[in-house]
Amino acid sequence: EPEVTQTPSHQVTQMGQEVILRCVPISNHLYFYWYRQILGQKVEFLVSFYNNEISEKSEIFDDQFSVERPDGSNFTLKIRSTKLEDSAMYFCASSDPGTGKAGELFFGEGSRLTVL
Amino acid sequence: AQSVTQLGSHVSVSEGALVLLRCNYSSSVPPYLFWYVQYPNQGLQLLLKYTTGATLVKGINGFEAEFKKSETSFHLTKPSAHMSDAAEYFCAVSMFSGGYNKLIFGAGTRLAVHP
Repeated sequence: EPEVTQTPSHQVTQMGQEVILRCVPISNHLYFYWYRQILGQKVEFLVSFYNNEISEKSEIFDDQFSVERPDGSNFTLKIRSTKLEDSAMYFCASSDPGTGKAGELFFGEGSRLTVL
Repeated sequence: AQSVTQLGSHVSVSEGALVLLRCNYSSSVPPYLFWYVQYPNQGLQLLLKYTTGATLVKGINGFEAEFKKSETSFHLTKPSAHMSDAAEYFCAVSMFSGGYNKLIFGAGTRLAVHP
């Protein structure tokens, strides 16, 4: 079965460094999402992306964050200047516009970001 | 605005006992409801979902949930807990529209199963 893949699985970075997290959504999906889960806390919506633009973003998604779909397969989340509080698991997801999977988000395994 | 409340951040049961994880939602439109499970250091796995139709939905690993509109609830149950059920469980609500599906998650319930 097709799946969402994320790289890297774990990244350690120094505060102030730029980080790019990569995702390959399921190929026929049209909507893409990033979620964040700080250790021991709930899964929080960051941003959704459709038709090469942001469709919705949360208050967490400030100017330090950006997303893009640089080619037909990858979907990236960039954090420009990482802060300690950006340490979290970041989940990519995509959704299927067709029937049968209505309403379901398909999540990747996550990228754990550790900021030192 | 939509929201999800999971009652009980930690639930502990004996192996073989009934599992009941509570979830209440708030939504201004008919909701789509989900339960996800997260095992340690892993991603989110869909257990089951309610979209339309039958209010009792069955999922993987013997779990089921019942959508009760009058109580705005979507509690997750399993008749007999297994040690392998120990994990974090998240209830989520969404307003699905034309392929767009933003999920709002509850805070999660950590299920412990003891012998």
